[in-house]
Amino acid sequence: DTAVSQTPKYLVTQMGNDKSIKCEQNLGHDTMYWYKQDSKKFLKIMFSYNNKELIINETVPNRFSPKSPDKAHLNLHINSLELGDSAVYFCASSQDWSRGRQGYGYTFGSGTRLTVV
Amino acid sequence: DAKTTQPNSMESNEEEPVHLPCNHSTISGTDYIHWYRQLPSQGPEYVIHGLTSNVNNRMASLAIAEDRKSSTLILHRATLRDAAVYYCILRNNAGNMLTFGGGTRLMVKP
Repeated sequence: DTAVSQTPKYLVTQMGNDKSIKCEQNLGHDTMYWYKQDSKKFLKIMFSYNNKELIINETVPNRFSPKSPDKAHLNLHINSLELGDSAVYFCASSQDWSRGRQGYGYTFGSGTRLTVV
Repeated sequence: DAKTTQPNSMESNEEEPVHLPCNHSTISGTDYIHWYRQLPSQGPEYVIHGLTSNVNNRMASLAIAEDRKSSTLILHRATLRDAAVYYCILRNNAGNMLTFGGGTRLMVKP
């Protein structure tokens, strides 16, 4: 069983479209994240959700809207896609940091390569 | 989270040990030292973490300096499959983010 699964793996779309990327984890983790890795390979945190509540939003444009229907899912919806949104998006999960579990690791999905043309 | 400094790239020969250094001179007492690696076309993968004492697991060893201002990830016998970008990250209980720097690109020669 895949611990953190993302769909789709590849997404090619035109500018101006709206698209969603889905993420599910079966690890029983309380916290989920979205990261963006651009063409220069830097990984940047976008959002963090703890028990379905948003706890971090790292100055991401309003066109990006995460949605967490339950603590095992964190989906990313992107409106009005732009060329600069082309990147690889990674979902991740971890144990609840607020319980002092900062020593525990993150588990990442295999990524969604988004190409906006 | 406090900042870490790593070499941009390193080379190793297959089946030889590899020592990947990381400097974190501004580390605080509650910062854990985490190492992740990212294989080509994959998501980052947890490798190891520690606080003060050296740590060993099936993937690697982590040697932490006595003053905790530096650490070294040790791969005991590099294989071609160990070619990846290795990230050294500090994580404390004041924030939730795992913040990635540039990492070290490890190249393994046959």
